[in-house]
Amino acid sequence: RKEVEQDPGPFNVPEGATVAFNCTYSNSASQSFFWYRQDCRKEPKLLMSVYSSGNEDGRFTAQLNRASQYISLLIRDSKLSDSATYLCVAMNRDDKIIFGKGTRLHILP
Amino acid sequence: GAGVSQSPSNKVTEKGKDVELRCDPISGHTALYWYRQSLGQGLEFLIYFQGNSAPDKSGLPSDRFSAERTGGSVSTLTIQRTQQEDSAVYLCASSLADRAGNEKLFFGSGTQLSVL
Repeated sequence: RKEVEQDPGPFNVPEGATVAFNCTYSNSASQSFFWYRQDCRKEPKLLMSVYSSGNEDGRFTAQLNRASQYISLLIRDSKLSDSATYLCVAMNRDDKIIFGKGTRLHILP
Repeated sequence: GAGVSQSPSNKVTEKGKDVELRCDPISGHTALYWYRQSLGQGLEFLIYFQGNSAPDKSGLPSDRFSAERTGGSVSTLTIQRTQQEDSAVYLCASSLADRAGNEKLFFGSGTQLSVL
């Protein structure tokens, strides 16, 4: 089983819609979780951390479900500029950081 | 600049040649990571450093790959006797651990390596 798994997509979503995708992790000892965004031919950039209580940043909401070992990202009122690949990370402290292979999102005008 | 700097941005080499890729992390970042990304694929972990030590080298694809970090700052990734399958973007990232221990990565723009 891969350490971090994501649905590769693509998710094709009309502008203004809400979209959500999940990421599962295999290591129950994972402590820190993040979502990164990667635009085509660019480097990944941190989108948001994921906290146990869930957290929101504008149109983006991240949640953690430790019992089922997954994290989620929800994007409300999607914009064309949200089109990108979204990468999740689950890691232990002082351990290597492993990325999921990413979920491609296409926002359609 | 304040970001992670990688050089060269592009490298074209002939099969069998050695190449060195350089990463200059954000000042004060103690951890440094190397990843490889082939076109349309995810990030493949190669190696990471805490200070000058590399606790985990398990991601290096073969013994042709090596990396070092000196002075807790600049790192070089060396690929010996390059093969065509080494062609990829090599990404470096450094991390700022906040007080909760969360490792937030900041990436350089990568080195596009093409082996002919």
